[in-house]
Amino acid sequence: DQQVKQNSPSLSVQEGRISILNCDYTNSMFDYFLWYKKYPAEGPTFLISISSIKDKNEDGRFTVFLNKSAKHLSLHIVPSQPGDSAVYFCAASVTGANNLFFGTGTRLTVIP
Amino acid sequence: DTGVSQDPRHKITKRGQNVTFRCDPISEHNRLYWYRQTLGQGPEFLTYFQNEAQLEKSRLLSDRFSAERPKGSFSTLEIQRTEQGDSAMYLCASSLDWDSHYGYTFGSGTRLTVV
Repeated sequence: DQQVKQNSPSLSVQEGRISILNCDYTNSMFDYFLWYKKYPAEGPTFLISISSIKDKNEDGRFTVFLNKSAKHLSLHIVPSQPGDSAVYFCAASVTGANNLFFGTGTRLTVIP
Repeated sequence: DTGVSQDPRHKITKRGQNVTFRCDPISEHNRLYWYRQTLGQGPEFLTYFQNEAQLEKSRLLSDRFSAERPKGSFSTLEIQRTEQGDSAMYLCASSLDWDSHYGYTFGSGTRLTVV
């Protein structure tokens, strides 16, 4: 039972343009959401997170938007850079729990 | 601090053999997690330690799997009588305390191939 879903396995964008990665979840108990970035042969690296009490969180070129009613979040990268090319995982958790539920990932390719 | 270290990076084993992986977390982190990632999937939670106590285990952790964290430092994950379905990337992560703002720090993983 996949509680966190990333329906786009891959995405290609031109350097300098906006990258939008999407994530849907089914468990209404989730109240924290995170994005991780993964390069080949490395472990996932934390990128940005958002609490369910917010609908937006921004950190430099990265912004995460949360739509609780739609159970949907998205990661915007502006402007996209070739170094952003990686697999991006969406993850979710419940307060007090000790594990994260991950999506299947979206491979982003930024074309120079 | 060099981050979370995992050893070995790759392991090829024959079906039925036992394997053991090691994880060295960031030294001051009291929480340690094991996750498994199969091809085309995201990481899936296996187990969690707070200091030396194993506080949570996923149903994915069958009785062939055992994890330890003696003295609350490094951790080992052992798989007995390996099966082909055990082939995956095994990821270790650590954190000082669960803080959703910063997430975990993951190691680079141990890739297990069972032939």
